[in-house]
Amino acid sequence: DTGVSQNPRHKITKRGQNVTFRCDPISEHNRLYWYRQTLGQGPEFLTYFQNEAQLEKSRLLSDRFSAERPKGSFSTLEIQRTEQGDSAMYLCASSPLDSGQGLGGYTFGSGTRLTVV
Amino acid sequence: AQSVTQLGSHVSVSEGALVLLRCNYSSSVPPYLFWYVQYPNQGLQLLLKYTSAATLVKGINGFEAEFKKSETSFHLTKPSAHMSDAAEYFCAVSGGARAGNNRKLIWGLGTSLAVNP
Repeated sequence: DTGVSQNPRHKITKRGQNVTFRCDPISEHNRLYWYRQTLGQGPEFLTYFQNEAQLEKSRLLSDRFSAERPKGSFSTLEIQRTEQGDSAMYLCASSPLDSGQGLGGYTFGSGTRLTVV
Repeated sequence: AQSVTQLGSHVSVSEGALVLLRCNYSSSVPPYLFWYVQYPNQGLQLLLKYTSAATLVKGINGFEAEFKKSETSFHLTKPSAHMSDAAEYFCAVSGGARAGNNRKLIWGLGTSLAVNP
């Protein structure tokens, strides 16, 4: 397992189109997080899964955004009717349940950079 | 509620000089604290973490940080800067053992470190 994998790395889309991103976490990690990062800012929490259950969703996440994690493995983040303000880096991270060296730390993917034109 | 303040959005040091990146936090529960590094167009890499064990934490690439509860600080230091240390550095906080299962991170805005030859 080489870490957290995100696809695609870059996505350019026209305003109003739908886009879907995929995240493949480290296989033994139960927790999966989505964050959004805009230029000059720290990451902002979007949503969090423990196995297949979506346990928390940020108020930042409008109803145009939806995330799934079927079977508790990979996750997808879909944005419907994209807007220019959705342009950002979308980061996925995973972590094990608290135990040993996994306590409190994430492993991030390289992110998907979305540009809405 | 939790928050993170990183003092100084840009820090510039000479190669070989001391690196000091400041982070102050606010947390209603005993926190876990993290420093992450982000190189251009890449995801975030964990440098080090404090999870209520030793207050002086050593991380990768020669970095270390000290948790000071009385000052609510978790400043990042490195004795001698290297050109390869030039990157964006983020401090983050999450709820600790009392926070339950969610390990959502709250992030600072980041500090851009430049290393001059």
